[in-house]
Amino acid sequence: DQQVKQNSPSLSVQEGRISILNCDYTNSMFDYFLWYKKYPAEGPTFLISISSIKDKNEDGRFTVFLNKSAKHLSLHIVPSQPGDSAVYFCAARANNAGNMLTFGGGTRLMVKP
Amino acid sequence: DAEITQSPRHKITETGRQVTLACHQTWNHNNMFWYRQDLGHGLRLIHYSYGVQDTNKGEVSDGYSVSRSNTEDLPLTLESAASSQTSVYFCASRTAKNTEAFFGQGTRLTVV
Repeated sequence: DQQVKQNSPSLSVQEGRISILNCDYTNSMFDYFLWYKKYPAEGPTFLISISSIKDKNEDGRFTVFLNKSAKHLSLHIVPSQPGDSAVYFCAARANNAGNMLTFGGGTRLMVKP
Repeated sequence: DAEITQSPRHKITETGRQVTLACHQTWNHNNMFWYRQDLGHGLRLIHYSYGVQDTNKGEVSDGYSVSRSNTEDLPLTLESAASSQTSVYFCASRTAKNTEAFFGQGTRLTVV
């Protein structure tokens, strides 16, 4: 039973537009959420995170929104660039699980020039 | 620069063989992890270690083992490789205080 779900396996966006990647979770013990970005033939790299005490965290073109009541978070990329084309993983940490991360299945983002 | 490296990058092995994937980090991180990436499943935790001589089972540990004899290395062993273990394997490390982990470049393992 997947505790972290990314229901869209892929997303295609035009360069310059907004990309919105979604993530849903079921475990109410999750208190910290992260997004990782992965290029082909490379390992995932940390992108941005948010604590459950916040509802928004921004870093340049990347913003993560957290809706705790809906158990939903989203990553917004504005404006999208071709170099953003990658697989994005959502991950969550439970406050009772020793900092262990649970990952979603990933969403492949394609940004078209 | 400190880094985390995995070897080999690609491996083809036969069913039933024992295989060991290497992971080496130079950050002096206490925590090390092994994940496998499969389509639709994302990254699933195989084994992890919080320090020397400490090893723990993750979500999908059956058929795998690890050992931690020093801080830098966490080799992953497939005792008797099965076709279901064809996957991309990632090693990761982090400090004990942080949640964000640094990942290696991955090992693509094919079991034929």
